[in-house]
Amino acid sequence: AQRVTQPEKLLSVFKGAPVELKCNYSYSGSPELFWYVQYSRQRLQLLLRHISRESIKGFTADLNKGETSFHLKKPFAQEEDSAMYYCALSDSWGKLQFGAGTQVVVTP
Amino acid sequence: SAVISQKPSRDICQRGTSLTIQCQVDSQVTMMFWYRQQPGQSLTLIATANQGSEATYESGFVIDKFPISRPNLTFSTLTVSNMSPEDSSIYLCSVESGREAFFGQGTRLTVV
Repeated sequence: AQRVTQPEKLLSVFKGAPVELKCNYSYSGSPELFWYVQYSRQRLQLLLRHISRESIKGFTADLNKGETSFHLKKPFAQEEDSAMYYCALSDSWGKLQFGAGTQVVVTP
Repeated sequence: SAVISQKPSRDICQRGTSLTIQCQVDSQVTMMFWYRQQPGQSLTLIATANQGSEATYESGFVIDKFPISRPNLTFSTLTVSNMSPEDSSIYLCSVESGREAFFGQGTRLTVV
């Protein structure tokens, strides 16, 4: 069975400090992994996907198949990064399995 | 990309009644997805709606409780039937375009 685990419900960091959100997954095939973000009073939206291997808003995430992880990182957190972050795994039909989510609070 | 309009945005309903949530997309899509987000929980897929066929429900969700319509490629409805307080959740419509999921703003349902 596929599963996405985000161990941290809340992550509080100071502005300018590094932030890392953990995500581990279990999946029998080749996973397609995403990070979605929900800012206050906005709808859920895509932050980045593993196949793109890109940096969005300073965030990066590397798929580690050996450790079955897809951790999200940013070297210098900004106040506008405060949001709810969801790690998600997609099957071939586009259905998404979400992790529990991590609330990030960046304080000045 | 895809823009999704979902309504109502919120409602307070009496137990035992039903509520139909509408989802309109600005482009034609093959599959539409309905998710539920219970208080303090993550999103859980309820069902996948294809045009011209019955919806496919995930484990724990049944058609009698969550009937879905998909009359065309841009529209779908989800009905929450015979509601109880346990159905109080946010319900979200989603579509996929270019391997990216787009979401409606959600319907916040409170059952009293």
